[in-house]
Amino acid sequence: KNQVEQSPQSLIILEGKNCTLQCNYTVSPFSNLRWYKQDTGRGPVSLTIMTFSENTKSNGRYTATLDADTKQSSLHITASQLSDSASYICVVSRYTSGTYKYIFGTGTRLKVLA
Amino acid sequence: DTEVTQTPKHLVMGMTNKKSLKCEQHMGHRAMYWYKQKAKKPPELMFVYSYEKLSINESVPSRFSPECPNSSLLNLHLHALQPEDSALYLCASSQPGGGPETQYFGPGTRLLVL
Repeated sequence: KNQVEQSPQSLIILEGKNCTLQCNYTVSPFSNLRWYKQDTGRGPVSLTIMTFSENTKSNGRYTATLDADTKQSSLHITASQLSDSASYICVVSRYTSGTYKYIFGTGTRLKVLA
Repeated sequence: DTEVTQTPKHLVMGMTNKKSLKCEQHMGHRAMYWYKQKAKKPPELMFVYSYEKLSINESVPSRFSPECPNSSLLNLHLHALQPEDSALYLCASSQPGGGPETQYFGPGTRLLVL
């Protein structure tokens, strides 16, 4: 079954600290993996997109890693800020029957406290 | 311009009403998407249009009717909705193919069905 699981479900950290969010997937055939940030009541915003051959990709204080062998990805946030408080969603794209489909994870809700 | 706009921002409708949600992008994207998102859940794909043709319908009830009048516009016509259809409706666009191109989301329309 094609699934994307994220952990933890929620996380509270202090401003300035680092954190790592996890994404495990069983999606096949794999096309690419995306991390999105979604503020409450807003649409998701793309942070990173990685294909099979990419191991790491950075976007400012956000660094995503991908291990295609173990089907795991992580999103590392460095020096967290209050504005990082949001839901972070891992999405895996698969190619099937001539079309691409996006499998969404359930997200990690991050709260950064002052 | 990397913006996807959606109107209205909020919509309240009765179960006998007919209303439409609108989505617009001017990035030259030829794939457009409708998602439904319930509170604290990830977005669920409803429809995908590729080159103005419906390419994916995720078994959505017929009370939701999508329309893509041209490459920049996407509508979702609503009729005889149920209270459980209350949700945030997100529109997104990208280049077709599902490859590592960024998918841009709009801010969403928050729908309440009474």
